[in-house]
Amino acid sequence: EIVMTQSPATLSVSPGERATLSCRASQSISSNLAWYQQKPGQAPRLLIYGASTRATGIPARFSGSGSGTEFTLTISSPQSEDFAVYYCQQYHNWPPYTFGQGTKLEIK
Amino acid sequence: EVQLVESGGDLVQPGGSLRLSCAASGFTFSRYWMSWVRQAPGKGLEWVATIKPDGSEKYSVDSVKGRFTISRDNAKNSLYLQMNSLRVEDTAVYYCVREDCSSTSCYYFYYYMDVWGRGTTVTVSS
Repeated sequence: EIVMTQSPATLSVSPGERATLSCRASQSISSNLAWYQQKPGQAPRLLIYGASTRATGIPARFSGSGSGTEFTLTISSPQSEDFAVYYCQQYHNWPPYTFGQGTKLEIK
Repeated sequence: EVQLVESGGDLVQPGGSLRLSCAASGFTFSRYWMSWVRQAPGKGLEWVATIKPDGSEKYSVDSVKGRFTISRDNAKNSLYLQMNSLRVEDTAVYYCVREDCSSTSCYYFYYYMDVWGRGTTVTVSS
């Protein structure tokens, strides 16, 4: 089973300050990585797939990068609606699909 | 509009059974792999089970093998999760999820989760 590890657990940034979230896989997953955003009381929403492709309707301030075992989600200028929990997920080697434990992006 | 609507969540005693349903609309349901993903209170996301478009292949996480069964009825555009021998640790919000793939990745079965329902709550408690 591939283990996904996200860091930090909580990231505090001011609105408009660049936010960088990290995700590491326990073995190479090529670019088969997705990022999801979850707001309180809501279902997760797909942001990024293929490590760097934005899903339909996702603003350009969200960008993903990386391949192999190291991945990054960057929010260039976070808006108030972007403060949420973010999960990475690998779909390279399944079953099982595995998720990271999440990073909470909070307002500083 | 692409939509997934779950139902069937309830309070059930340990050892009990429950059947979750997911009604799909706005897309050709029979063409997509579908999954269930759960989230325990205050916890992260956990994949539960996945089923192939024609229902011929099914996969599930080890912790539910032999207890949960995923199925689908393409004529009714519906996905199901039969949950037996429920445990306290099965308490969670259960999400119905559509899987998709980009052109070249489909051949290698690289599917990401592109559409999520709002979830249905299962509580296992005495």
